[in-house]
Amino acid sequence: GQQLNQSPQSMFIQEGEDVSMNCTSSSIFNTWLWYKQDPGEGPVLLIALYKAGELTSNGRLTAQFGITRKDSFLNISASIPSDVGIYFCAGQEGRGGSQGNLIFGKGTKLSVKP
Amino acid sequence: DGGITQSPKYLFRKEGQNVTLSCEQNLNHDAMYWYRQDPGQGLRLIYYSQIVNDFQKGDIAEGYSVSREKKESFPLTVTSAQKNPTAFYLCASSIVAGPNNEQFFGPGTRLTVL
Repeated sequence: GQQLNQSPQSMFIQEGEDVSMNCTSSSIFNTWLWYKQDPGEGPVLLIALYKAGELTSNGRLTAQFGITRKDSFLNISASIPSDVGIYFCAGQEGRGGSQGNLIFGKGTKLSVKP
Repeated sequence: DGGITQSPKYLFRKEGQNVTLSCEQNLNHDAMYWYRQDPGQGLRLIYYSQIVNDFQKGDIAEGYSVSREKKESFPLTVTSAQKNPTAFYLCASSIVAGPNNEQFFGPGTRLTVL
């Protein structure tokens, strides 16, 4: 099936640093969603994007829906220890029998620098 | 207190046994979904249901079965035909199926086959 390329796979952060991650696809999406998952828990929705070019913030998080509708990025400013976890992007197609089904990236794992 | 509940949190089963995972939501959402998550992987769609008494196969439906007799409930049965059932299972729901509808996740059930 379709896949999203999410990068980086993992990264180490020091408190106070800004963090950036992105997802790209060969297909056009109508919606991009960004989720955070803590160990052993379900993903929690952080930001939803619905229009090409849209830039949306949620506290220290900012995400953008790429103009081509094939990519999205998530930035975290001034990171804090509780930001550690796995961040997933998900794209949602707008047509066909599987309308509305999400396609997930493999995740970006954020850890604290030792 | 609205949300999605999954039970049990941890489940152990012997090879050759069927096991049913529970998912309940009180969000009045029409659509419900089951995903499987393996380490280092994104979420993969097993089954989804757009409305009561209707459900569709996702990308990896083999060895699984579902029912949707009530709007609030979407149980997943992992059958003995599933060759590699040990995984983290996540249930999600959205207001309706279709584009521009955010999916919200339950806390997950970790199934281990002994």
